[in-house]
Amino acid sequence: DIQMTQSPSSLPASVGGRVTITCQASQDINNRLSWYQLRPGKAPKLLIYDASTLMTGVPSRFSGRGSGTDFTFTISSLQPEDIATYYCQQYDNLPVSFGGGTKVEIE
Amino acid sequence: EVQLVESGGGLVRPGGSLRLSCAVSGTTFSRWSMHWFRQAPGKGLEWVSFIRSTSDHINYADSLRGRFTVSRDNAKSSLYLQMDSLSAEDTAVYFCARDAVEMAAKPYYFDYWGQGTLVTVSS
Repeated sequence: DIQMTQSPSSLPASVGGRVTITCQASQDINNRLSWYQLRPGKAPKLLIYDASTLMTGVPSRFSGRGSGTDFTFTISSLQPEDIATYYCQQYDNLPVSFGGGTKVEIE
Repeated sequence: EVQLVESGGGLVRPGGSLRLSCAVSGTTFSRWSMHWFRQAPGKGLEWVSFIRSTSDHINYADSLRGRFTVSRDNAKSSLYLQMDSLSAEDTAVYFCARDAVEMAAKPYYFDYWGQGTLVTVSS
């Protein structure tokens, strides 16, 4: 099974600040990586797929990049509504697997 | 607007069973493969099961040890998860989600999710 290591687990940040999360796969996942936003009581939201493709309707302040085993997710200017936990997910191999999550909080 | 609404969660005794449902609207349900996920208290997301649009491909997480059964009724636009031999480790919010790839024969990524239904296994 592919292990996804996500860091940091929590991330205090300022409104307007830049947020960067990293996700490392235990093997090459051929850019088959997506990112999700989870807010309490709300449906999870797909933000990015294929490592860097922004889902329709997602603000451009969200971005993803990377290849092979190393990936990053960035919020260029944190907004209050971005307070959430973010997860990476690989879909190169079964079982699909998620990183441990990064809780983004206001500093 | 695509909507997914889970139901059927609740409190169940260890060793008991529960059947979750996911009602889907706003999309041609029969063309999309579906998934179940769960999130235990204080834990991350865990993929549970996949069922192809035509029900001919089904996968489960190894950790379930054959206790869960996924099914769907395309005529009713509904997805189900039968959960048997439940234990405290199955306590979680259970989500259904649509695979983003039409007629997917394996899991990809997931573009629409429900808000989840809480399953609590406790005596």
